[in-house]
Amino acid sequence: TQLLEQSPQFLSIQEGENLTVYCNSSSVFSSLQWYRQEPGEGPVLLVTVVTGGEVKKLKRLTFQFGDARKDSSLHITAAQPGDTGLYLCAGGGNTNAGKSTFGDGTTLTVKP
Amino acid sequence: NAGVTQTPKFRILKIGQSMTLQCTQDMNHNYMYWYRQDPGMGLKLIYYSVGAGITDKGEVPNGYNVSRSTTEDFPLRLELAAPSQTSVYFCASSPTGSGANVLTFGAGSRLTVL
Repeated sequence: TQLLEQSPQFLSIQEGENLTVYCNSSSVFSSLQWYRQEPGEGPVLLVTVVTGGEVKKLKRLTFQFGDARKDSSLHITAAQPGDTGLYLCAGGGNTNAGKSTFGDGTTLTVKP
Repeated sequence: NAGVTQTPKFRILKIGQSMTLQCTQDMNHNYMYWYRQDPGMGLKLIYYSVGAGITDKGEVPNGYNVSRSTTEDFPLRLELAAPSQTSVYFCASSPTGSGANVLTFGAGSRLTVL
């Protein structure tokens, strides 16, 4: 069973601060996804990373895939209250069957 | 485009009752999934399907059944509900090929078993 560990589990910061969330595994993934989930809603895809060492930027969010494709990080610059939510990483297997493994998530609260 | 639609949004069951959570998608995705999410936890895969007529167990299938008679629909059946099945259930779908790991989720169904 492939496992993904996310850290920290909870993060509470003030508006304008920077933060980094980590997603680590001992397994290699063919791709890794980051989702954001708001209360009462399903997760919504933020980004997919596929290539080892890949860096993708989405406005104030920067995503990085580890060189060995076993880990990833999400960095948010100048966090805003609208960034509040549960951030989930998910790793895809090599069979393209779509059976993603999810981490337990990081709950982010950004205070105004 | 509705995406993935789940019903009901909320349901309360008594121990031993049965029910079906409905899920339909209009994106012509071959792959469909059922996950459960417990408080403070990530998503655990219950069942998945790679196409009409094909289903397979995920990580936590006990107490559940599924069917996939059409590409669009993937209902989840709970037989003899137990308090341990209190959770939020999410249906998701994805295309085949390189996008197979990119899931589109429904809004969830919150189930309480008393």
